Amino acid sequence: DVKVTQSSRYLVKRTGEKVFLECVQDMDHENMFWYRQDPGLGLRLIYFSYDVKMKEKGDIPEGYSVSREKKERFSLILESASTNQTSMYLCASSLGWSPGQGSSYEQYFGPGTRLTVT
Amino acid sequence: SQELEQSPQSLIVQEGKNLTINCTSSKTLYGLYWYKQKYGEGLIFLMMLQKGGEEKSHEKITAKLDEKKQQSSLHITASQPSHAGIYLCGALGNFNKFYFGSGTKLNVKP
Repeated sequence: DVKVTQSSRYLVKRTGEKVFLECVQDMDHENMFWYRQDPGLGLRLIYFSYDVKMKEKGDIPEGYSVSREKKERFSLILESASTNQTSMYLCASSLGWSPGQGSSYEQYFGPGTRLTVT
Repeated sequence: SQELEQSPQSLIVQEGKNLTINCTSSKTLYGLYWYKQKYGEGLIFLMMLQKGGEEKSHEKITAKLDEKKQQSSLHITASQPSHAGIYLCGALGNFNKFYFGSGTKLNVKP
C-alpha cells in the first residue's frame, strides 16, 4: 500500500514564525502536491512537483514556498506565518500524468496537518 | 480554469436509504476521481472514471460518468453510518493541475 506521511497532525505557530511542513511518500511517486483545505473553499492547490528539484505553482502559492531535494520528500514552507494561513494542509503523491496510464495517477493523500497560527 | 461543482453541499439521510451526489465540470473531463474524506483526516481514493458512459462499483458505491464526460454521479445504496464523511470529486485540468470540487458532507443517521 502507498503510504504518505506528514510530519505533524496538529501544529500551533505564532505570527511571523517560519513553518516547515514535511511530507514523505514511500512508493517512488514522481508527483507530489500540497493543498490547503478550508470550509466552503474545498481543496486548493498550493504547489506541486513532478520531479526532484522541480516545482510548479498551483492556484494559491503566495506566502508559501516548497522544496524537493529527494524524490520521496516534499516540504512546504511558510516563510512568515500569518493568521490567514490557519488551515488544514494536505500532502498527496501520484505516479504519473498520462491519461493513457489509466488509474496510475490517482493521488494518495497523507492524514493532513491542522495548522493554527495565532 | 477547470471548475467542478458538487451538489448537494450537505446531505443527511436515514440509515438504509439511497443517495446520490453529483459533480459537474465546466469542461470535458479526461478523468474524474472520487474521494472520501473522514472528518479531520486525509482523502481516500474511491474510483476513477475515464470513458464516457463508464460506470464502476465498489461495495455499495456506484459512480457513473456521462457520455459527454462533463458530469459524474456517485450513488450509495442502503447507506450505513460508515458511509459518513465528505465526498469530493477531482479532475486533472490544464497544465497538469488537479482540481477538486468543494465536497459534499454526508451524515447517516442510525
